[in-house]
Amino acid sequence: SQTIHQWPATLVQPVGSPLSLECTVEGTSNPNLYWYRQAAGRGLQLLFYSVGIGQISSEVPQNLSASRPQDRQFILSSKKLLLSDSGFYLCAWRRTRNSYEQYFGPGTRLTVT
Amino acid sequence: AQSVTQLGSHVSVSEGALVLLRCNYSSSVPPYLFWYVQYPNQGLQLLLKYTSAATLVKGINGFEAEFKKSETSFHLTKPSAHMSDAAEYFCAVSRIQGAQKLVFGQGTRLTINP
Repeated sequence: SQTIHQWPATLVQPVGSPLSLECTVEGTSNPNLYWYRQAAGRGLQLLFYSVGIGQISSEVPQNLSASRPQDRQFILSSKKLLLSDSGFYLCAWRRTRNSYEQYFGPGTRLTVT
Repeated sequence: AQSVTQLGSHVSVSEGALVLLRCNYSSSVPPYLFWYVQYPNQGLQLLLKYTSAATLVKGINGFEAEFKKSETSFHLTKPSAHMSDAAEYFCAVSRIQGAQKLVFGQGTRLTINP
């Protein structure tokens, strides 16, 4: 069976500090990978998605970047956090054949102070 | 472009009552449709999906949804609400072609009154 992991689960960082959130998927190969953000009381905003190693598509111009150094690893980064980067960050994956639903990880709660 | 509208950001029902969460979609091509549930501080869990087979789709936890093309709707129902159903529910649409992304509604928070 497939499993998706995210870490850390919670993070409190000061404004201007760097960020690295990691997501890994087990039990599948060549998945599509996604990063979403949920601000408090709001819906899901797609930030980045990737269809393969080194292939990143950005949905929203912002203070964040993403990388996919390995097939089942997806990293969300920032060089300098802003207060507005606070939120709940969700990673998701999708099979690339005969499937359109996405499966979500447990999320990372980021608070920028 | 695809879009999803969830009518009602908050829905409150009594335990044992019918649950009805509304979702309307806009798509220029036949869509794939999904309902997800999110409990506090957790990720989203797939409840059910419509992928152009049967129009009445049964999911987990006793939920079901009916695809109505003429009404462009995909409403989520459950005959009898349970306290454990209290959560946020999201409807989502995906295109069949180039279906790499999901478009989510804004979510409906379901509260169950004892």
